[in-house]
Amino acid sequence: AQKVTQAQTEISVVEKEDVTLDCVYETRDTTYYLFWYKQPPSGELVFLIRRNSFDEQNEISGRYSWNFQKSTSSFNFTITASQVVDSAVYFCAVTGTASKLTFGTGTRLQVML
Amino acid sequence: DVKVTQSSRYLVKRTGEKVFLECVQDMDHENMFWYRQDPGLGLRLIYFSYDVKMKEKGDIPEGYSVSREKKERFSLILESASTNQTSMYLCASSLEPNPDSLYGYTFGSGTRLTVV
Repeated sequence: AQKVTQAQTEISVVEKEDVTLDCVYETRDTTYYLFWYKQPPSGELVFLIRRNSFDEQNEISGRYSWNFQKSTSSFNFTITASQVVDSAVYFCAVTGTASKLTFGTGTRLQVML
Repeated sequence: DVKVTQSSRYLVKRTGEKVFLECVQDMDHENMFWYRQDPGLGLRLIYFSYDVKMKEKGDIPEGYSVSREKKERFSLILESASTNQTSMYLCASSLEPNPDSLYGYTFGSGTRLTVV
């Protein structure tokens, strides 16, 4: 069975601070995919990134970056110079050969002025 | 853009009622999923379907059933609604098997169901 742990329930930062959201996953599949989704107050889940298990390169997209470490089963997400619009719930998820997404419990990020 | 449309944004039903939550996607995706989202529990998979008239139980199927008569439509049914089914329900679709699908899954906006 797959499992995703997001130990941080809620994080509050002041605007322009950097913040890292942690994600630890468990899976028995040798091929799997990791995702991050953002859920703003409007409720719709917004796709941020997908990474497959064979690609351990870190990725940067603007203020967002992701650090995938297979050795520690972690897929952490960093927001640099946070902004109020980054306030949302962020979900990490994993899917394997069965194509079912398994989500973590989410981390609520609050960015204050 | 792929669109996943859930028919109701908010719904209030009485205990014991039969409830239908409808989900329609417009991009010919094979796979469709129903999740429920509860505070502190994240999103949990209720049922999913890889093809028309096909369904499989997810992690928490008790109290629910589904119907997929057409490829684009996936309905979640609460046979006899109970207060512990008060939740946010999210539908999703994906183009699988396609491991290179860039966006993974596309989600609807959700239906917030309250059972009183």
